[in-house]
Amino acid sequence: KAGVTQTPRYLIKTRGQQVTLSCSPISGHRSVSWYQQTPGQGLQFLFEYFSETQRNKGNFPGRFSGRQFSNSRSEMNVSTLELGDSALYLCASSSNPGTGPHEQFFGPGTRLTVL
Amino acid sequence: AQSVTQLDSHVSVSEGTPVLLRCNYSSSYSPSLFWYVQHPNKGLQLLLKYTSAATLVKGINGFEAEFKKSETSFHLTKPSAHMSDAAEYFCVVSGSSGSARQLTFGSGTQLTVLP
Repeated sequence: KAGVTQTPRYLIKTRGQQVTLSCSPISGHRSVSWYQQTPGQGLQFLFEYFSETQRNKGNFPGRFSGRQFSNSRSEMNVSTLELGDSALYLCASSSNPGTGPHEQFFGPGTRLTVL
Repeated sequence: AQSVTQLDSHVSVSEGTPVLLRCNYSSSYSPSLFWYVQHPNKGLQLLLKYTSAATLVKGINGFEAEFKKSETSFHLTKPSAHMSDAAEYFCVVSGSSGSARQLTFGSGTQLTVLP
């Protein structure tokens, strides 16, 4: 099976712009989660989508949003970019529908740089 | 609520010597525990997982971890380090349902393997 894919791999934006990142999960996986990784804050959970519905949300401002399509592909959007949004954004997919161990498989990430 | 503490931010070992990466967790329910590894400019790869079955868990590449409930620990070990083991390692806790299903990451341990 192909792994989790994320596009683009690298992105450079300026403050105030908005950005959309894309994630395609492993075939058959219906849960997609997003994480932000920075040197200062480490790995932080953004949100999780399952069957096109946001199921969990981390402590991020409303500028961070996401959605999931019927084929389980997911996008996350960041509006009004700030310098502090520079990070590696990781997407993870899981086949687990609701209970039990929530093993997740990660993509390579999108490196976002905000200038 | 759940949290993870990785007791060492950096560990340095010589090739061929044992590896010990320490992790303590806090959880108000029976947790699932994971160790992930991240090589430079790569995504996260699952090394092993604990899901309330055997307390000694074997993972890929010769790594194993022991779940000790009385000590709330889940330390990662390997008998003999290889140069290719140099990477950052994350201890992760997850609950079984609801908002607890999101992965909560430790701050990471950078493993250096000296020739």
